[in-house]
Amino acid sequence: AQTVTQSQPEMSVQEAETVTLSCTYDTSESDYYLFWYKQPPSRQMILVIRQEAYKQQNATENRFSVNFQKAAKSFSLKISDSQLGDAAMYFCAYRGLNTGTASKLTFGTGTRLQVTL
Amino acid sequence: ETGVTQTPRHLVMGMTNKKSLKCEQHLGHNAMYWYKQSAKKPLELMFVYSLEERVENNSVPSRFSPECPNSSHLFLHLHTLQPEDSALYLCASSQDNRRGADTQYFGPGTRLTVL
Repeated sequence: AQTVTQSQPEMSVQEAETVTLSCTYDTSESDYYLFWYKQPPSRQMILVIRQEAYKQQNATENRFSVNFQKAAKSFSLKISDSQLGDAAMYFCAYRGLNTGTASKLTFGTGTRLQVTL
Repeated sequence: ETGVTQTPRHLVMGMTNKKSLKCEQHLGHNAMYWYKQSAKKPLELMFVYSLEERVENNSVPSRFSPECPNSSHLFLHLHTLQPEDSALYLCASSQDNRRGADTQYFGPGTRLTVL
């Protein structure tokens, strides 16, 4: 079974600074997708970024980028130029391709990010 | 209305009550999901529907009963719940859960408290 581990329950960053959130996963599959979701206090879970395992190039979305290390099974999220609106819970998630007809996402326990002035 | 909506946003019920959670997606998606989010635990997938057919049931107790009358609506019927069922219940939808790149979009959730 796949597992996703986020070892940082809480992180803090100053506005305009850069922060990196860690995520590791365990799988025996060679092809899969990895996701970072953001859940602000309003609780609407929002997709931040997605990475396809067969692509070596790290995904980027504006101020958000990932460091995907397939051999190490590591998928960290870097947030540059942090803004107050980035404060939220961040969840790392895994989806394998050998799951039959179900789109089964496996989530980590989340990292709460605080952004300070 | 856009995206995925859920009603009610908050619900308090006794253990003997019967209530239902409603989810509606306005994205033209074919798959819908129920998740349970408890404090300090990973999101737990409860049910998956694809084209109105249930394709996943993750050993959820029978006191939770899903219903998907069409591809835009998903219900979660609740009866005889326990206090440990108190949690945030999230609904999600996606275009086609058979595709590897399929991405799920979430609703705001229903905060359920069982007394």
